[in-house]
Amino acid sequence: AQKVTQAQTEISVVEKEDVTLDCVYETRDTTYYLFWYKQPPSGELVFLIRRNSFDEQNEISGRYSWNFQKSTSSFNFTITASQVVDSAVYFCALSGLNDNAGNMLTFGGGTRLMVKP
Amino acid sequence: DTGVSQNPRHKITKRGQNVTFRCDPISEHNRLYWYRQTLGQGPEFLTYFQNEAQLEKSRLLSDRFSAERPKGSFSTLEIQRTEQGDSAMYLCASSRTQNTEAFFGQGTRLTVV
Repeated sequence: AQKVTQAQTEISVVEKEDVTLDCVYETRDTTYYLFWYKQPPSGELVFLIRRNSFDEQNEISGRYSWNFQKSTSSFNFTITASQVVDSAVYFCALSGLNDNAGNMLTFGGGTRLMVKP
Repeated sequence: DTGVSQNPRHKITKRGQNVTFRCDPISEHNRLYWYRQTLGQGPEFLTYFQNEAQLEKSRLLSDRFSAERPKGSFSTLEIQRTEQGDSAMYLCASSRTQNTEAFFGQGTRLTVV
């Protein structure tokens, strides 16, 4: 069985602060994908990143960065110099890599990020 | 790229009525997924299609739920004899293949009164 835990249900920061969203996962699969999605108030889930379990290199995309640590089963997401437009619910998710599992995502409970001006 | 389209965006129905939702995936995306999201929770997988074939169904999908994807294009999700516990956001997603990222629609919010 797969499980994703996002222990922080809600985080509030002031604009320009850095913020890290935590994600811890459990899986018996030896190969898997990890994802982050953003859900703004409009409701649509916006894809941010996919990382496969073979690749433990950290990734940076603009103000976003991701820290994957297989040893601790964590895939944390950092927003640098946060902006009001970053306010949303962020979901971490996991899927297997076998033929039938791709994109059958197991989501965490989400972290609501509020960025105040 | 017009994105994944879901209709209706909102649906209010009385308990016991049947409802049907539609999802139009991104053109040429072979895989289509349905998820359910209740308030304050993450989405939960319901079912998915590879073209017109329904390949996997979650235990969450009771006998009252049925999904189809005729001709491998749009999909419909029908809930029969709705219950208050069915109130949720129903999300559809599509991906080009099994190992490419999935893109989500804006969802259909169902309220059963």
